Amino acid sequence: DTGVSQDPRHKITKRGQNVTFRCDPISEHNRLYWYRQTLGQGPEFLTYFQNEAQLEKSRLLSDRFSAERPKGSFSTLEIQRTEQGDSAMYLCASRGRVHSGANVLTFGAGSRLTVL
Amino acid sequence: RKEVEQDPGPFNVPEGATVAFNCTYSNSASQSFFWYRQDCRKEPKLLMSVYSSGNEDGRFTAQLNRASQYISLLIRDSKLSDSATYLCVVSEIPGGYNKLIFGAGTRLAVHP
Repeated sequence: DTGVSQDPRHKITKRGQNVTFRCDPISEHNRLYWYRQTLGQGPEFLTYFQNEAQLEKSRLLSDRFSAERPKGSFSTLEIQRTEQGDSAMYLCASRGRVHSGANVLTFGAGSRLTVL
Repeated sequence: RKEVEQDPGPFNVPEGATVAFNCTYSNSASQSFFWYRQDCRKEPKLLMSVYSSGNEDGRFTAQLNRASQYISLLIRDSKLSDSATYLCVVSEIPGGYNKLIFGAGTRLAVHP
């Protein structure tokens, strides 16, 4: 599979627990994005990496959220002390270098989080 | 005010109909525009970019009005397989080389 992979696909957790999601982008893509989507809404931007550098973070990304991309390949999104309002689909997307012909933003299938 | 606003629909149309969706954006600095399609419980996928002069891809036509900050998508000869949510997307950087801002989407249901 050469697309964007996300793991786990579904996570059910109790309020207050920590959860971590992993994203493996398309191998030649240097840019990686995290979005969050709730029912009836479009994806909301959370954060953006170019290689290993986190270049932009949304105000939605509270101090309970942290994202990393340590070697410029896969990325993790961790949510600490989860709240019921964190229940959503967490989408990862990647795209290639400017003018590379691989500039289309390609999404993974998402990680669905349910906080009880 | 949301950065990108769309009529949520649903638009219920018969096969073969022509349907148009509209979208407005609030940031006049927006430079790049796209339509994405999202099937139920699936990830969004790029449908088409929107260029200043307007552009067409088969049965789909996209228009941009920068003065009114308005984007449209026209679907001709609707097919059952066109049933999906259509997301209007803008970016502040030409080519969309930074975050993309998504609208909430317009739901289309095409019936026999």
